[in-house]
Amino acid sequence: GNSVTQMEGPVTLSEEAFLTINCTYTATGYPSLFWYVQYPGEGLQLLLKATKADDKGSNKGFEATYRKETTSFHLEKGSVQVSDSAVYFCALSASNFGNEKLTFGTGTRLTIIP
Amino acid sequence: KAGVTQTPRYLIKTRGQQVTLSCSPISGHRSVSWYQQTPGQGLQFLFEYFSETQRNKGNFPGRFSGRQFSNSRSEMNVSTLELGDSALYLCASSGRLSTSSYNEQFFGPGTRLTVL
Repeated sequence: GNSVTQMEGPVTLSEEAFLTINCTYTATGYPSLFWYVQYPGEGLQLLLKATKADDKGSNKGFEATYRKETTSFHLEKGSVQVSDSAVYFCALSASNFGNEKLTFGTGTRLTIIP
Repeated sequence: KAGVTQTPRYLIKTRGQQVTLSCSPISGHRSVSWYQQTPGQGLQFLFEYFSETQRNKGNFPGRFSGRQFSNSRSEMNVSTLELGDSALYLCASSGRLSTSSYNEQFFGPGTRLTVL
Protein backbone atom coordinates (compact mmCIF):
# COMPACT_ATOMS: atom_id res chain seq x y z
CA GLY A 1 0.00 0.00 0.00
CA ASN A 2 0.94 3.66 -0.04
CA SER A 3 3.06 5.07 2.73
CA VAL A 4 4.96 8.20 3.67
CA THR A 5 8.08 8.25 5.82
CA GLN A 6 8.91 11.54 7.37
CA MET A 7 11.86 12.81 9.34
CA GLU A 8 11.33 12.35 13.05
CA GLY A 9 11.07 15.41 15.19
CA PRO A 10 11.06 17.53 17.07
CA VAL A 11 13.31 19.93 15.21
CA THR A 12 14.57 23.08 16.92
CA LEU A 13 16.34 25.78 14.94
CA SER A 14 17.45 29.33 15.48
CA GLU A 15 15.79 32.10 13.52
CA GLU A 16 17.26 32.56 10.02
CA ALA A 17 18.64 29.01 9.95
CA PHE A 18 18.22 26.72 6.93
CA LEU A 19 15.49 24.12 7.21
CA THR A 20 15.23 20.68 5.65
CA ILE A 21 12.56 18.14 6.58
CA ASN A 22 13.00 14.85 4.77
CA CYS A 23 10.11 12.95 3.26
CA THR A 24 10.13 9.75 1.20
CA TYR A 25 7.19 7.82 -0.11
CA THR A 26 6.06 4.47 -1.42
CA ALA A 27 3.23 4.39 -3.91
CA THR A 28 2.08 2.69 -7.06
CA GLY A 29 1.48 4.78 -10.11
CA TYR A 30 1.99 8.51 -10.10
CA PRO A 31 0.94 10.08 -6.82
CA SER A 32 0.53 13.75 -6.06
CA LEU A 33 2.64 15.01 -3.16
CA PHE A 34 1.85 17.63 -0.55
CA TRP A 35 3.17 19.42 2.48
CA TYR A 36 0.60 20.49 5.06
CA VAL A 37 1.19 22.66 8.11
CA GLN A 38 -0.73 22.59 11.38
CA TYR A 39 -0.54 25.50 13.80
CA PRO A 40 -1.56 24.96 17.44
CA GLY A 41 -5.29 24.49 17.85
CA GLU A 42 -5.96 24.60 14.13
CA GLY A 43 -6.67 22.23 11.28
CA LEU A 44 -4.32 21.51 8.41
CA GLN A 45 -3.35 24.06 5.80
CA LEU A 46 -1.91 23.14 2.44
CA LEU A 47 1.58 24.60 2.24
CA LEU A 48 2.61 23.42 -1.19
CA LYS A 49 2.02 20.64 -3.70
CA ALA A 50 3.50 18.88 -6.73
CA THR A 51 1.48 16.68 -9.02
CA LYS A 52 4.12 15.17 -11.29
CA ALA A 53 7.79 14.24 -11.32
CA ASP A 54 10.28 17.15 -11.28
CA ASP A 55 7.58 19.64 -10.30
CA LYS A 56 8.68 22.13 -7.65
CA GLY A 57 6.06 23.34 -5.23
CA SER A 58 6.70 26.62 -3.43
CA ASN A 59 4.90 28.91 -1.02
CA LYS A 60 5.89 31.41 1.71
CA GLY A 61 9.58 30.73 1.10
CA PHE A 62 9.18 26.96 1.41
CA GLU A 63 10.07 24.68 -1.50
CA ALA A 64 9.91 20.98 -2.29
CA THR A 65 10.75 19.10 -5.49
CA TYR A 66 9.03 15.89 -6.54
CA ARG A 67 11.90 13.42 -7.15
CA LYS A 68 10.59 10.23 -8.66
CA GLU A 69 14.01 8.60 -8.93
CA THR A 70 14.57 8.88 -5.18
CA THR A 71 10.85 8.82 -4.23
CA SER A 72 11.38 11.94 -2.17
CA PHE A 73 9.73 15.30 -1.53
CA HIS A 74 11.95 17.09 0.98
CA LEU A 75 10.78 20.41 2.40
CA GLU A 76 13.29 23.28 2.50
CA LYS A 77 13.37 26.91 3.54
CA GLY A 78 16.38 29.13 3.36
CA SER A 79 15.73 31.30 6.40
CA VAL A 80 13.14 30.29 8.99
CA GLN A 81 11.19 32.64 11.20
CA VAL A 82 9.62 32.22 14.62
CA SER A 83 6.21 32.24 12.91
CA ASP A 84 7.17 29.02 11.07
CA SER A 85 6.91 27.09 14.33
CA ALA A 86 4.27 24.42 13.67
CA VAL A 87 3.85 20.75 12.82
CA TYR A 88 4.58 19.83 9.20
CA PHE A 89 3.05 16.82 7.45
CA CYS A 90 4.14 15.25 4.20
CA ALA A 91 1.31 13.53 2.35
CA LEU A 92 0.47 11.79 -0.87
CA SER A 93 -2.63 11.20 -2.88
CA ALA A 94 -2.73 8.17 -5.08
CA SER A 95 -4.36 10.06 -7.90
CA ASN A 96 -3.13 12.92 -10.04
CA PHE A 97 -6.57 14.42 -9.54
CA GLY A 98 -5.57 15.28 -5.99
CA ASN A 99 -8.91 14.52 -4.57
CA GLU A 100 -8.47 10.97 -3.41
CA LYS A 101 -7.65 10.09 0.14
CA LEU A 102 -4.49 11.52 1.61
CA THR A 103 -1.87 9.30 3.20
CA PHE A 104 0.14 11.27 5.76
CA GLY A 105 3.53 10.99 7.35
CA THR A 106 3.83 11.13 11.12
CA GLY A 107 4.48 14.86 11.22
CA THR A 108 7.52 16.88 12.26
CA ARG A 109 7.22 19.43 15.01
CA LEU A 110 9.34 22.49 14.22
CA THR A 111 10.26 25.07 16.83
CA ILE A 112 12.13 28.23 15.88
CA ILE A 113 13.84 30.12 18.67
CA PRO A 114 14.64 33.85 18.36
CA LYS B 1 -15.72 32.71 1.38
CA ALA B 2 -16.29 30.95 4.67
CA GLY B 3 -14.07 27.99 5.43
CA VAL B 4 -14.91 24.49 6.55
CA THR B 5 -16.75 24.50 9.85
CA GLN B 6 -16.98 21.66 12.31
CA THR B 7 -19.25 21.34 15.31
CA PRO B 8 -18.85 20.89 18.12
CA ARG B 9 -15.23 21.87 18.63
CA TYR B 10 -14.88 19.87 21.84
CA LEU B 11 -16.76 16.88 23.13
CA ILE B 12 -16.47 14.67 26.19
CA LYS B 13 -18.19 11.30 26.22
CA THR B 14 -17.97 8.11 28.24
CA ARG B 15 -17.25 4.60 27.03
CA GLY B 16 -20.18 2.91 25.39
CA GLN B 17 -21.90 6.11 24.33
CA GLN B 18 -22.28 7.23 20.76
CA VAL B 19 -21.39 10.56 19.21
CA THR B 20 -22.24 12.52 16.06
CA LEU B 21 -19.90 15.11 14.60
CA SER B 22 -20.89 17.61 11.96
CA CYS B 23 -19.01 19.21 9.09
CA SER B 24 -20.14 22.02 6.81
CA PRO B 25 -17.99 22.26 3.69
CA ILE B 26 -17.04 25.36 1.80
CA SER B 27 -19.96 26.56 -0.27
CA GLY B 28 -19.97 24.81 -3.63
CA HIS B 29 -17.76 21.93 -2.51
CA ARG B 30 -19.31 18.52 -3.02
CA SER B 31 -16.64 16.24 -1.59
CA VAL B 32 -16.14 15.79 2.14
CA SER B 33 -13.48 13.60 3.72
CA TRP B 34 -12.96 12.68 7.35
CA TYR B 35 -9.66 11.97 9.12
CA GLN B 36 -8.76 10.87 12.63
CA GLN B 37 -5.65 12.35 14.25
CA THR B 38 -4.10 10.72 17.31
CA PRO B 39 -0.61 10.99 18.83
CA GLY B 40 -0.03 7.27 18.35
CA GLN B 41 -1.44 6.64 14.88
CA GLY B 42 -1.11 10.08 13.34
CA LEU B 43 -3.53 11.14 10.64
CA GLN B 44 -5.66 8.36 9.23
CA PHE B 45 -8.32 8.51 6.55
CA LEU B 46 -11.82 7.49 7.63
CA PHE B 47 -14.02 8.01 4.58
CA GLU B 48 -14.94 10.32 1.73
CA TYR B 49 -18.38 11.34 0.52
CA PHE B 50 -19.27 12.87 -2.79
CA SER B 51 -22.83 13.76 -3.80
CA GLU B 52 -24.25 11.83 -0.85
CA THR B 53 -22.35 8.64 -1.76
CA GLN B 54 -19.45 7.12 0.12
CA ARG B 55 -16.67 6.69 -2.43
CA ASN B 56 -13.67 5.78 -0.33
CA LYS B 57 -13.36 4.14 3.03
CA GLY B 58 -10.39 3.72 5.33
CA ASN B 59 -9.56 0.81 7.55
CA PHE B 60 -11.78 1.52 10.53
CA PRO B 61 -14.34 -0.72 12.25
CA GLY B 62 -18.01 -0.51 11.42
CA ARG B 63 -18.62 1.55 14.57
CA PHE B 64 -17.46 4.49 12.47
CA SER B 65 -20.01 5.61 9.93
CA GLY B 66 -20.90 8.72 8.05
CA ARG B 67 -23.33 10.31 5.71
CA GLN B 68 -23.69 13.32 3.49
CA PHE B 69 -26.77 15.39 2.89
CA SER B 70 -28.02 16.99 -0.29
CA ASN B 71 -26.49 20.33 0.75
CA SER B 72 -23.09 18.55 1.05
CA ARG B 73 -22.99 18.86 4.83
CA SER B 74 -21.66 15.69 6.38
CA GLU B 75 -21.92 13.91 9.68
CA MET B 76 -19.89 11.13 11.13
CA ASN B 77 -21.08 8.85 13.88
CA VAL B 78 -19.13 6.68 16.26
CA SER B 79 -21.11 4.13 18.21
CA THR B 80 -20.09 2.24 21.34
CA LEU B 81 -17.23 4.59 22.09
CA GLU B 82 -13.91 3.20 23.28
CA LEU B 83 -11.10 4.99 25.08
CA GLY B 84 -8.98 4.66 21.93
CA ASP B 85 -11.48 6.75 19.98
CA SER B 86 -10.21 9.86 21.75
CA ALA B 87 -8.80 11.94 18.94
CA LEU B 88 -9.03 15.06 16.85
CA TYR B 89 -11.46 14.43 14.01
CA LEU B 90 -10.77 16.53 10.96
CA CYS B 91 -13.07 17.18 8.05
CA ALA B 92 -11.87 18.35 4.66
CA SER B 93 -13.85 19.57 1.69
CA SER B 94 -12.91 19.98 -1.93
CA GLY B 95 -14.65 21.17 -5.02
CA ARG B 96 -14.20 18.23 -7.28
CA LEU B 97 -15.89 19.14 -10.48
CA SER B 98 -14.51 16.50 -12.81
CA THR B 99 -12.17 13.55 -12.75
CA SER B 100 -9.50 15.42 -14.66
CA SER B 101 -8.92 18.43 -12.44
CA TYR B 102 -6.95 18.86 -9.26
CA ASN B 103 -8.85 20.21 -6.28
CA GLU B 104 -7.20 21.12 -3.02
CA GLN B 105 -8.62 19.74 0.19
CA PHE B 106 -9.48 22.44 2.73
CA PHE B 107 -9.49 21.33 6.33
CA GLY B 108 -11.68 22.45 9.18
CA PRO B 109 -10.35 23.13 12.71
CA GLY B 110 -11.45 19.71 13.91
CA THR B 111 -13.55 18.30 16.73
CA ARG B 112 -11.60 17.11 19.72
CA LEU B 113 -13.32 14.07 21.20
CA THR B 114 -12.35 12.82 24.62
CA VAL B 115 -13.70 9.45 25.77
CA LEU B 116 -13.61 8.82 29.51
